[in-house]
Amino acid sequence: DSGVTQTPKHLITATGQRVTLRCSPRSGDLSVYWYQQSLDQGLQFLIQYYNGEERAKGNILERFSAQQFPDLHSELNLSSLELGDSALYFCASSPSDSYTDTQYFGPGTRLTVL
Amino acid sequence: GQNIDQPTEMTATEGAIVQINCTYQTSGFNGLFWYQQHAGEAPTFLSYNVLDGLEEKGRFSSFLSRSKGYSYLLLKELQMKDSASYLCAVRLSGGSYIPTFGRGTSLIVHP
Repeated sequence: DSGVTQTPKHLITATGQRVTLRCSPRSGDLSVYWYQQSLDQGLQFLIQYYNGEERAKGNILERFSAQQFPDLHSELNLSSLELGDSALYFCASSPSDSYTDTQYFGPGTRLTVL
Repeated sequence: GQNIDQPTEMTATEGAIVQINCTYQTSGFNGLFWYQQHAGEAPTFLSYNVLDGLEEKGRFSSFLSRSKGYSYLLLKELQMKDSASYLCAVRLSGGSYIPTFGRGTSLIVHP
């Protein structure tokens, strides 16, 4: 158990819908990272927040957005969902935004878009 | 750019030793991670190498050669529970330092 929690564990929805995934980092960690993992793409970095501020952006679609709240939990919002958005979405956290940090991953949310 | 290459799949026998290679082509290298991921579960941290050489941690060891753009993960005394995907991830210096992950190597350990 990494100490990172994610809800829900599974999510099934239809194309065109909007969903929100939630992540609570390890106690004391200030950075939160979101990743998407699909069978054909591997683990893809989406976005990082540090202490409430966006810090780095990866391959995140414009239909997706995220935020980190004052209590440091984070939410990833996915809208206008497409079949191709079906994937495992992982959240990871680290103590700071230092390049020496190691990321610890949550259990993931499996999103299925029908 | 950064291309991270790992074999797609490997098989090995319980009790044996297996070496999983990772090569990368990147500028501004600043560290390499290995993660283990069981099917449908979260990646779990195994090792982080930033300097050349071998780092040993129990049954697992990780080696790095920065000049060759090469790393390997060595697993000794294989157990059935070691059947998993092993992800190599490279971190760049400067700008965003978010690690880029390879596609992973699926290791199958059989009796």
